[in-house]
Amino acid sequence: DTGVSQDPRHKITKRGQNVTFRCDPISEHNRLYWYRQTLGQGPEFLTYFQNEAQLEKSRLLSDRFSAERPKGSFSTLEIQRTEQGDSAMYLCASSLSQGPTDTQYFGPGTRLTVL
Amino acid sequence: AQTVTQSQPEMSVQEAETVTLSCTYDTSESDYYLFWYKQPPSRQMILVIRQEAYKQQNATENRFSVNFQKAAKSFSLKISDSQLGDAAMYFCAYRTSYSGGGADGLTFGKGTHLIIQP
Repeated sequence: DTGVSQDPRHKITKRGQNVTFRCDPISEHNRLYWYRQTLGQGPEFLTYFQNEAQLEKSRLLSDRFSAERPKGSFSTLEIQRTEQGDSAMYLCASSLSQGPTDTQYFGPGTRLTVL
Repeated sequence: AQTVTQSQPEMSVQEAETVTLSCTYDTSESDYYLFWYKQPPSRQMILVIRQEAYKQQNATENRFSVNFQKAAKSFSLKISDSQLGDAAMYFCAYRTSYSGGGADGLTFGKGTHLIIQP
């Protein structure tokens, strides 16, 4: 068990470009979460999957953002037409569902810089 | 919507001393869960301790303990015998016991930067 992994760790892009991040959860974890963390702030919830179903989306997740978890394993988060305000750390977490008390294990994050 | 407030942007403590980090939250719910996470510099977030709101007994994990005051909506973290490895950002987080409506994610405070002085 290698924990939650995210790729890439850093991404620099120009405004208007599309970017895609990948998250590999802990194996057998059926829940997967995406958060965004800006400098000096705590993480903010973006979206959540249980298996391959995307069950919740925060209002922070604009139409330019899309997330998938096609086979209930890894997940991708795509940002289209990036803006400078998208610069942040994007965190992925996974958990094994045991009701609301399931512990979320976080990955190292992908730091996005939009120039 | 629930909110979590950490009023101490930064705290400093001498190694081997005890330090308490504050957290307050606002909710109209009676059943929920509270967490403290630790985020070391350039490293991933790690769960420190968890408290179920329906439990009156304060959670304890080795040198880490909480003071949960449900009526006051307060959830402070006490670190005893501080060690250099405790230096990190500490985040307080809330999660409802209900599912749906965006409630499945954690709501975090802004964090407290803990400095351990040797």
